[in-house]
Amino acid sequence: AQSVTQLGSHVSVSEGALVLLRCNYSSSVPPYLFWYVQYPNQGLQLLLKYTSAATLVKGINGFEAEFKKSETSFHLTKPSAHMSDAAEYFCAVSGERTTDSWGKLQFGAGTQVVVTP
Amino acid sequence: DTGVSQDPRHKITKRGQNVTFRCDPISEHNRLYWYRQTLGQGPEFLTYFQNEAQLEKSRLLSDRFSAERPKGSFSTLEIQRTEQGDSAMYLCASSPTGTGKETQYFGPGTRLLVL
Repeated sequence: AQSVTQLGSHVSVSEGALVLLRCNYSSSVPPYLFWYVQYPNQGLQLLLKYTSAATLVKGINGFEAEFKKSETSFHLTKPSAHMSDAAEYFCAVSGERTTDSWGKLQFGAGTQVVVTP
Repeated sequence: DTGVSQDPRHKITKRGQNVTFRCDPISEHNRLYWYRQTLGQGPEFLTYFQNEAQLEKSRLLSDRFSAERPKGSFSTLEIQRTEQGDSAMYLCASSPTGTGKETQYFGPGTRLLVL
């Protein structure tokens, strides 16, 4: 079984400040991990993914995330927030392709990011 | 590559009516997924296809829900006898074969409101 916990349903950051979104996962198999962003009334856009290669993953729009197996975490960061980063962010997990859980994404509840001037 | 498209984008219906949504995946993506997202929650897996074969259905997918992908290209999701609890955003995603097959690309969603 797999699950994802996102700590904090809402995060408020000042423009130019560090963005840190927390994600912890539970997986009985080696996980694939993803961060998606969702703007109002739109679908999900992939920010970055971890697929058992490098533990520090860089994505689009200046975001990056670090896979820490010992902490079962995959936190998302961005050094300097921009107004356009205001959106909802979802962490998701699936299993490796040799497992039955491959392909089905299990999502966290999401974190709404507000950026203040 | 035009991305995943979904039609309609919005649907308002009365309780008890049937509705059908369509998803067109990215061309040559052989896996297609349906998810449901309610307000304030992350998407929940409903079902997925590999080509025309429906390989798995979530227990969330009651008997009133049916999905098809007849020619392995577009897919339809039908909800019969809609209930107010069916109000949600229905998201479709597709994934490629080969390199990057673990990555799902999402469409804009169909927002359903059942009155």
